[in-house]
Amino acid sequence: NAGVTQTPKFQVLKTGQSMTLQCAQDMNHEYMSWYRQDPGMGLRLIHYSVGAGITDQGEVPNGYNVSRSTTEDFPLRLLSAAPSQTSVYFCASSRTGKNYGYTFGSGTRLTVV
Amino acid sequence: DAKTTQPNSMESNEEEPVHLPCNHSTISGTDYIHWYRQLPSQGPEYVIHGLTSNVNNRMASLAIAEDRKSSTLILHRATLRDAAVYYCTADSWGKLQFGAGTQVVVTP
Repeated sequence: NAGVTQTPKFQVLKTGQSMTLQCAQDMNHEYMSWYRQDPGMGLRLIHYSVGAGITDQGEVPNGYNVSRSTTEDFPLRLLSAAPSQTSVYFCASSRTGKNYGYTFGSGTRLTVV
Repeated sequence: DAKTTQPNSMESNEEEPVHLPCNHSTISGTDYIHWYRQLPSQGPEYVIHGLTSNVNNRMASLAIAEDRKSSTLILHRATLRDAAVYYCTADSWGKLQFGAGTQVVVTP
């Protein structure tokens, strides 16, 4: 099993550009979520999904869109990149219910100039 | 949403136990308490989780207070590889609420 795969690992964007961060998991997990981590800080929830076709906002959703058309994939779209979105982005997945641990990807380091 | 509070850092000598406290006084009665650790430039790694009873696995033990307002992660014998940031979180139906975490420093 590959687990949770995030691409790209690094990305530099210019202000105003858009892009999609990819997240894929091969564990048939229903729960998937996106977090951002600023330097020296904990992780903050951006968006999450409890299954295909179902998404909801987290703590810091502004400037980001998500959709969940398949169980395996949960892409995160930056609509118009801003320097404040410079961060490391992590995707996570878990089985349905609360009694399971989450598996995290290795992250995408995004710099907006 | 549940908020977790942890000390900023803790130090331990190698091969000694480490007790990492976490306060989560606003946690819902059905939210599980999860612990993750993060090494530099890596994603968080699952350590342990529980609801009410104390839990043990090969990595650590989790002691949950009877009123569920706090918990303690116990690393029984710290090694240099245990040096990381440890996060206490609450699991609420597909989402984790992270605090700032505790930086664990292990001294040889």
